[in-house]
Amino acid sequence: GQNIDQPTEMTATEGAIVQINCTYQTSGFNGLFWYQQHAGEAPTFLSYNVLDGLEEKGRFSSFLSRSKGYSYLLLKELQMKDSASYLCAVTDSNYQLIWGAGTKLIIKP
Amino acid sequence: GAVVSQHPSWVICKSGTSVKIECRSLDFQATTMFWYRQFPKQSLMLMATSNEGSKATYEQGVEKDKFLINHASLTLSTLTVTSAHPEDSSFYICSARSGEASPLHFGNGTRLTVT
Repeated sequence: GQNIDQPTEMTATEGAIVQINCTYQTSGFNGLFWYQQHAGEAPTFLSYNVLDGLEEKGRFSSFLSRSKGYSYLLLKELQMKDSASYLCAVTDSNYQLIWGAGTKLIIKP
Repeated sequence: GAVVSQHPSWVICKSGTSVKIECRSLDFQATTMFWYRQFPKQSLMLMATSNEGSKATYEQGVEKDKFLINHASLTLSTLTVTSAHPEDSSFYICSARSGEASPLHFGNGTRLTVT
C-alpha cells in the first residue's frame, strides 16, 4: 500500500530551527509537496520537490532524497505564527496525491 | 497567482435542506478539482475528484447521491450537500490544479453547520 509517515507533533522555541521529516512509500513518484495549515483554515502551499536536493524559499527550505523516500521541511528563525500543522503529500505514478496525516508544530516563546 | 475562491465561507442550514458550495479557479484553468472534508483535529479526507465535463470520481464510503458534484467548466466546480443532516456538519475544502504535476491550491473552505 501507499504510506506517508511524519511525526504527529513537534515543539520548538521561538527563534530556533526545526526540521520536520517525512518518509514515503508510494507506487511511483511524481513530486512531493509541503503545505501549512493553521487551525480552522485551509492548507496553503509551501514547497514542491521533484528532484533530489534542497529548495530554499525564505525561512523555509525543503529537501528531497528520492532514493531514500525521504523529505524534510526546515523552518528557520521560528515565529509564533509558524504554529500550525505541516502536511507532506506525494504525487504517485497516476498523479494521485497521497497525504500524510500532518505534523502539528507548537512554538513556545 | 494560483488563486482558488470558495463560496460561501460558512453556512448554517436546517436538517433536510440542501446546500451548494462553489469553487472557482480565478487565474488558471483547472482540469481537475478535488473536494475534501475535514473534521476537527482530523486529517484532510478526500471526498471526490472532479474532472471538467465528466462525472466525478468518489472515494469509498462517500455517497454520490448525497454529495453532488458538477464541474461545468475549467474554472468552476460545485458541491451540493443534499438533504443535509447534523452529521454532515464539517469543514469542506475544494482545491484545484492546472496540471497533473502542479501543486494543489486550496480554497478557503466552507464551514457547514446543520441544525
